[in-house]
Amino acid sequence: EAQVTQNPRYLITVTGKKLTVTCSQNMNHEYMSWYRQDPGLGLRQIYYSMNVEVTDKGDVPEGYKVSRKEKRNFPLILESPSPNQTSLYFCASSQTGTRHSNQPQHFGDGTRLSIL
Amino acid sequence: AQKVTQAQTEISVVEKEDVTLDCVYETRDTTYYLFWYKQPPSGELVFLIRRNSFDEQNEISGRYSWNFQKSTSSFNFTITASQVVDSAVYFCALSSGFQGGSEKLVFGKGTKLTVNP
Repeated sequence: EAQVTQNPRYLITVTGKKLTVTCSQNMNHEYMSWYRQDPGLGLRQIYYSMNVEVTDKGDVPEGYKVSRKEKRNFPLILESPSPNQTSLYFCASSQTGTRHSNQPQHFGDGTRLSIL
Repeated sequence: AQKVTQAQTEISVVEKEDVTLDCVYETRDTTYYLFWYKQPPSGELVFLIRRNSFDEQNEISGRYSWNFQKSTSSFNFTITASQVVDSAVYFCALSSGFQGGSEKLVFGKGTKLTVNP
């Protein structure tokens, strides 16, 4: 079954304790992206990756890191989490193609992070 | 700049009523894509539809229909004969702005639909 898998689904942790949210897709997609969802703000892009070893900032990258060492995995790293990073996080992937090919992005089930 | 506006923050209807969710977008690109996603209470994002800027035909899928009007930059979503299972947050999104082989998704803030029995 084609899917994007995020782990953990829920996490409560404390300020400053490094954490990693994993994301894996089994569709051989080149493009992967992380979003955060906050009440009243919708979803905003944190980072994206167009292929292995190629990553770039989205709209709200501060306080986050990512890596793309393998095509299927795109972990989100919070080196020193703070309470303002409490949010619902989504990983997404899609095929790439020519400009304006615009394949739908497939989303994981989300990770709810609470930073105390 | 790309922007998506969903002016309705929350809508409440009674089962079997028809309901329309509004979406207005802004972009300078002549080619772009519009999407609707559903987020049920369980939290996942479910893809509903993708429409490109060159195709203004309305689309119907069961009880769902979409009305795309470039003249008013709108891509509205109608649920006919709503059901309790339609209760969810619905997001409209715009894909515009090349981002290295794929297109960045810009989301509206969502409309929370509650269908009461």
